[in-house]
Amino acid sequence: GENVEQHPSTLSVQEGDSAVIKCTYSDSASNYFPWYKQELGKRPQLIIDIRSNVGEKKDQRIAVTLNKTAKHFSLHITETQPEDSAVYFCAASIGRDYKLSFGAGTTVTVRA
Amino acid sequence: NAGVMQNPRHLVRRRGQEARLRCSPMKGHSHVYWYRQLPEEGLKFMVYLQKENIIDESGMPKERFSAEFPKEGPSILRIQQVVRGDSAAYFCASSRSRAGGPQEEQFFGPGTRLTVL
Repeated sequence: GENVEQHPSTLSVQEGDSAVIKCTYSDSASNYFPWYKQELGKRPQLIIDIRSNVGEKKDQRIAVTLNKTAKHFSLHITETQPEDSAVYFCAASIGRDYKLSFGAGTTVTVRA
Repeated sequence: NAGVMQNPRHLVRRRGQEARLRCSPMKGHSHVYWYRQLPEEGLKFMVYLQKENIIDESGMPKERFSAEFPKEGPSILRIQQVVRGDSAAYFCASSRSRAGGPQEEQFFGPGTRLTVL
């Protein structure tokens, strides 16, 4: 099955700086890569996703890049704000399988 | 359009009792997924269901755990004879069905936090 590894496990940044989270996956057939944000005690919420026919996608301060050859994808948050503090999960799924394999999560803390 | 709903939000059971977790998908969604999240860990896939069918239960323990998604009513995740190790947050997610279409976003419910005493 798919194995997704996520680094770092914790990340502390100064407000206004950028945050980068990296994930690798094992199955080259994976073609859908969502990122979820989970605030303490709340549900995971999709913040951005990318499909394997695209190399990069941006939505305001959030961007995701995908390198299919190397089987890794990254989340970039620019101009971080205190409300960006949360746990971020990457995930990967294979075709029409619909099953998401999640990384272990990155706890991001933005220092004011 | 109400989001994915789960109940109860918190459930306390003693060892050996049964736990029933309910999930109502978003309107128009026919795919339901159950995930388990242990404290300070990621989400682990358990089971994927469509109406009246279990599509993939590869992440669900063979013993004591079962899931269903009947034609009418919510999806149910059932844990029999609970043990302390079952204590976790159980999240349900749903997505739309579109034959031949690309992967659709999974919308998560608020979760059920199960505590086994």
